[in-house]
This record gives sequence, structure tokens and C-alpha cells, in this order.
Amino acid sequence: QKEVEQDPGPLSVPEGAIVSLNCTYSNSAFQYFMWYRQYSRKGPELLMYTYSSGNKEDGRFTAQVDKSSKYISLFIRDSQPSDSATYLCAILPSGGYNKLIFGAGTRLAVHP
Amino acid sequence: DTAVSQTPKYLVTQMGNDKSIKCEQNLGHDTMYWYKQDSKKFLKIMFSYNNKELIINETVPNRFSPKSPDKAHLNLHINSLELGDSAVYFCASSQEILSGANVLTFGAGSRLTVL
Repeated sequence: QKEVEQDPGPLSVPEGAIVSLNCTYSNSAFQYFMWYRQYSRKGPELLMYTYSSGNKEDGRFTAQVDKSSKYISLFIRDSQPSDSATYLCAILPSGGYNKLIFGAGTRLAVHP
Repeated sequence: DTAVSQTPKYLVTQMGNDKSIKCEQNLGHDTMYWYKQDSKKFLKIMFSYNNKELIINETVPNRFSPKSPDKAHLNLHINSLELGDSAVYFCASSQEILSGANVLTFGAGSRLTVL
């Protein structure tokens, strides 16, 4: 079993839709949860970062962590064509070295 | 100003050749990384250096040799290239090596194609 599971998609939605992206992880030692966005032919860039269970909002983006279910989500409201990218979840254990473990990435296409 | 820059962006070479990728960061970070992203977009850590010292060394063939001449630079040399080495190699940096509120900043990637 992979440490982080993420549906690779692709996911195609119309502009203005609410998008839900999800990951599950296997090890309860993981404490830090991140979402990276990667445009085609570019490096990943950090979108959201959470530590505890619950929700964190930043503009149209909401990151949600449910540690009891080992489930993390990213919601995008009012999706725009510029949101078309691959979204990678990443997790990190507490303590030790900064060794991010990435999901496979979900490719999202928002069409006008 | 580019924060993490890698050269070259594209590299096409024959099997058996040796090649290098260079990385530089101007963020003043102590830690630098090499990640490999395969054709399925799966991003996996290879190495990490903290202040020129090798800290993380994942299960990577010893044909791959990282070198950090100073904390702002991390190079990757690959000997005897194989078809399976074809991938995008990303350099990244972070403030420090310890887990926690340590955000990684990635370069744009170096796409290696081995023929």
C-alpha cells in the first residue's frame, strides 16, 4: 500500500464549478499536510499548508484534514480556467527530516 | 528574480552517456533537494543536503551522485545513463532540514530524455 493515495484523474469541470480533490494516507504519524499546484512544464508551487484537523481557507481554496479518517481534501470554489493544473497532495511526519511524501497528483481541467 | 534555478531545462542524450544538472537558489536556504518525477507524475525524493552535508539519501542507484559545493548550489551527476532515467528532475530548497513548517520551493525542472 502506498503511503499516500491520490486519484490521478483527469478531472474536467465547467468554469464556476466547485472542485473537490482528495487524498488518503496510511500512517497516523503524518502531521503536516500540503497541497501543491503544478502547471504544465513547471515546478510544483505551494498552495495550502495545514497542521491540524479541520478547515483552512485561503480565498477560493479550502483545505480540509480529517486525521481520524486519514483523509485530506482541497476544495476550489468558483473554479477558473487558470486553475487548470495538476494538484499534488503532500504529507510530512512530525519530527525527523523534511522528507515530503507526494501523492500521484490529480490533473484538473476547467473549461470555459 | 528566479528563486531556484536549474540548468539545463532540457537534456536529450544517448544511453551510456554521463550528464550533469545544476541547481542554484538565492533564497538563503540551508537545505536543498533533488526530486525525480516519472512519466506518471509521481514525485519522489532522491537526495537532500543541509549546509553542504548529505542528509537524505534514498534508494537511488550509485550512478547518481549529488554534489553541493556550497549551500546555495546542488548539482546532480548521472553516470552511464539508462532508459529508465528518463524523467523530470526537480531541485528544491527549504529553510532547514527538520520536519515542520518547512516549505519547499521548487525549480522549474530539468527534463531528461535518454534514447
